[in-house]
Amino acid sequence: GQNIDQPTEMTATEGAIVQINCTYQTSGFNGLFWYQQHAGEAPTFLSYNVLDGLEEKGRFSSFLSRSKGYSYLLLKELQMKDSASYLCAAMDSNYQLIWGAGTKLIIKP
Amino acid sequence: GAVVSQHPSWVICKSGTSVKIECRSLDFQATTMFWYRQFPKQSLMLMATSNEGSKATYEQGVEKDKFLINHASLTLSTLTVTSAHPEDSSFYICSAKDRMDTEAFFGQGTRLTVV
Repeated sequence: GQNIDQPTEMTATEGAIVQINCTYQTSGFNGLFWYQQHAGEAPTFLSYNVLDGLEEKGRFSSFLSRSKGYSYLLLKELQMKDSASYLCAAMDSNYQLIWGAGTKLIIKP
Repeated sequence: GAVVSQHPSWVICKSGTSVKIECRSLDFQATTMFWYRQFPKQSLMLMATSNEGSKATYEQGVEKDKFLINHASLTLSTLTVTSAHPEDSSFYICSAKDRMDTEAFFGQGTRLTVV
């Protein structure tokens, strides 16, 4: 079957670094997405990885290892506004997104 | 990035009535649109995928006669919740992509409350 696993909740301190992990099992693979979702709002796109390695985009970086079925989202210099849910989604061979349940990130001052 | 506009943002309706939600791509041709439902504290659940000019493909467990999807043009898809019941209260989100893009762009979402 197809499955995405990510932690339910994480807590971090303002100004610190946090890494949110995601493991996936899909029928075929066409890339791994990370989205940010604030409560009551639609998800917003953060990153897309299809090749192994680290993609850096400002304070956010995303890593992919296809052989391990593993990705992480790294958030640096955390700000209070980063408090949100972070959704990991893998695209399968039919170009359908398989969604994780999301990781709720709580930032404390 | 591309813009997807979803209306209404929120709606309250009486049990037994029908509600239509619109999803428009404003600056690109949406050859494929996805409709999701999200219950509180849960992830997105794909309800159906629609390609322009074709019938929607519904996910297992989603009643196609209850959730009517129309994708008649390259810029507009609609989801109609027919004979709504309180258990249909949820956050409905559309996303759209064209055939050249991998990324799908999300609408703002519609919070439906059935009373």
